[in-house]
Amino acid sequence: EVQLVESGGVVVQPGGSLRLSCAASGFTFDDFAMHWVRQAPGKGPEWVSQISWSGSDTYYAPSVRGRFTISRDNTRNFLYLQMSNLRPEDTALYYCAKGSYDVSYMDVWGKGTTVTVSS
Amino acid sequence: EVVLTQSPATLSLSPGDTATISCRASQSVRTYLGWYQQKPGQAPRLLISDVSERAPGIPGRFSGSGSGTDFTLTISSLEPEDSAVYYCQQRSNWPPLTFGGGTKVEIK
Repeated sequence: EVQLVESGGVVVQPGGSLRLSCAASGFTFDDFAMHWVRQAPGKGPEWVSQISWSGSDTYYAPSVRGRFTISRDNTRNFLYLQMSNLRPEDTALYYCAKGSYDVSYMDVWGKGTTVTVSS
Repeated sequence: EVVLTQSPATLSLSPGDTATISCRASQSVRTYLGWYQQKPGQAPRLLISDVSERAPGIPGRFSGSGSGTDFTLTISSLEPEDSAVYYCQQRSNWPPLTFGGGTKVEIK
């Protein structure tokens, strides 16, 4: 069974840092690009970042560029999102998602991990 | 950034009806537009990629059409399980990948 399980979401103060993790299983992890997508309460999804299968190419939404870093460990089948200088508007449910064969659609999603930025 | 505008915001229909959801892009996205379904408390699920290609396991009741700036998701013979919020997403001009604001389909 293809599965993505996120972890690492907590309550953090503005300006703080956090690393999210995503454990992948049930598919050949290093064959696919991976994404982070977030969803604020009551809002639609917002794409955050994408990383290529090898990890050599990374892309970011303007709202997080320079503050977030996506990475992957293909030996352990893990995806990461390092988040720094967090703002209240970063509060959301963060999903890890597998890129489709078209790369830039997301065809498998985890259940998400909640990040709350508040003092 | 490509802005995707969905209409209507809410659709209230009966079982067996046909739902038609529109997604309009602020600039051409050619045929690089997909659709997702999200039920309460669940992650989004990919329904359709590149206008009309159904994802594995998606029933034929779901179909997509359009090109350029105007796209449509059609759900025929609505079933109660189709109650959800539907989002469009473009992959033509990125980063960033962008989603529409969503259309809620209610089955009466």
